[in-house]
Amino acid sequence: ETGVTQSPTHLIKTRGQQVTLRCSSQSGHNTVSWYQQALGQGPQFIFQYYREEENGRGNFPPRFSGLQFPNYSSELNVNALELDDSALYLCASSPDRGTNSPLHFGNGTRLTVT
Amino acid sequence: GNSVTQMEGPVTLSEEAFLTINCTYTATGYPSLFWYVQYPGEGLQLLLKATKADDKGSNKGFEATYRKETTSFHLEKGSVQVSDSAVYFCALSDVGSSGSARQLTFGSGTQLTVLP
Repeated sequence: ETGVTQSPTHLIKTRGQQVTLRCSSQSGHNTVSWYQQALGQGPQFIFQYYREEENGRGNFPPRFSGLQFPNYSSELNVNALELDDSALYLCASSPDRGTNSPLHFGNGTRLTVT
Repeated sequence: GNSVTQMEGPVTLSEEAFLTINCTYTATGYPSLFWYVQYPGEGLQLLLKATKADDKGSNKGFEATYRKETTSFHLEKGSVQVSDSAVYFCALSDVGSSGSARQLTFGSGTQLTVLP
């Protein structure tokens, strides 16, 4: 069983640029969530996709956007990067949207904005 | 809104010592509660969970009991090992302000270091 994989593992961008992060869900999982983890803090919910539709969103501005594809892989796009966007971005997949569905996390993409 | 407050770290223990990491939560509904562990350079792994009051989650010698009356979910282990060194996150799962997605709200994490 293949777990959640994210790419790239590390990325350095300049303020104002745009970035796309990618996530492959665990086999059989139709729900993908994205989290931002700033250094020394717990992850914060960005949004969730269920069967290619955005299913909910945390307190993040519209310049954070996403996609989910028919194979349930996903992308996180961030426009107009700011220094505070520097963080570890975690993707998590689950078999469905329910509360008790376990989230399976990838190892994350470390984004540095200079 | 929902929130999770964790005992501040870092915590340093000797091998075979008893571990407690405190966690309290605030939630409007009836959340499920989780402990996740993050090893260096890795994503989060589910350690244990409890879905209703008085449930006890357990895994790999770790335990936590869902206490609704004290809104707590403290993590305990009777005898820690060097391999338990990691960051531990308490989290709750509930419907967020968006009204549909079941999202996790995390505490700030507790760094545990176990010395041989």
